Amino acid sequence: EDKVVQSPLSLVVHEGDTVTLNCSYEVTNFRSLLWYKQEKKAPTFLFMLTSSGIEKKSGRLSSILDKKELFSILNITATQTGDSAVYLCAVERNYGQNFVFGPGTRLSVLP
Amino acid sequence: EAGVAQSPRYKIIEKRQSVAFWCNPISGHATLYWYQQILGQGPKLLIQFQNNGVVDDSQLPKDRFSAERLKGVDSTLKIQPAKLEDSAVYLCASSSISGSLSYNEQFFGPGTRLTVL
Repeated sequence: EDKVVQSPLSLVVHEGDTVTLNCSYEVTNFRSLLWYKQEKKAPTFLFMLTSSGIEKKSGRLSSILDKKELFSILNITATQTGDSAVYLCAVERNYGQNFVFGPGTRLSVLP
Repeated sequence: EAGVAQSPRYKIIEKRQSVAFWCNPISGHATLYWYQQILGQGPKLLIQFQNNGVVDDSQLPKDRFSAERLKGVDSTLKIQPAKLEDSAVYLCASSSISGSLSYNEQFFGPGTRLTVL
């Protein structure tokens, strides 16, 4: 059965800290890996990764994929209280082009 | 560009009652997904449509859940009868990709929060 595992499940840091969120997967017919940020509403898209070793960056957020070891990390530097959210990792499968989501990492950034 | 619309936003029902949710995807998006997100968990795919055909409904509890997308545009998801464990947020998402190799970004609606008492 396809699965996506995220760690830690919960994390509390102070503003200015750097955090690393982990996502590992066992999915047949891998197509891409996506990171989403979910506050109180629907998930919003952060990154899509398809190739190993190529870092994607957006401001203080960056992400990289290792297709050999089947994992991805999401880094957030100089965290702010607005980064508090659940960060979801999802793997897209080739068949049907649908997605398997991980349980999410709940990040709380304290002032 | 208008986003994915869902209604209602909140629904409270008693167990054994029936409930229906509605979703209108982004105009022109061929693929529509319904997800169930239980508190503290990631979204779980219930059903995926491409136009008006079902691509994947392997995780849909078919004894009580049904979904349709008759004209290939908007969709309804029904639960009948509801159980306590159906309490969750039901998310609808759409994407424009249909069998291509391009990037498949899903756009999510605001969700319907269902509480079954």
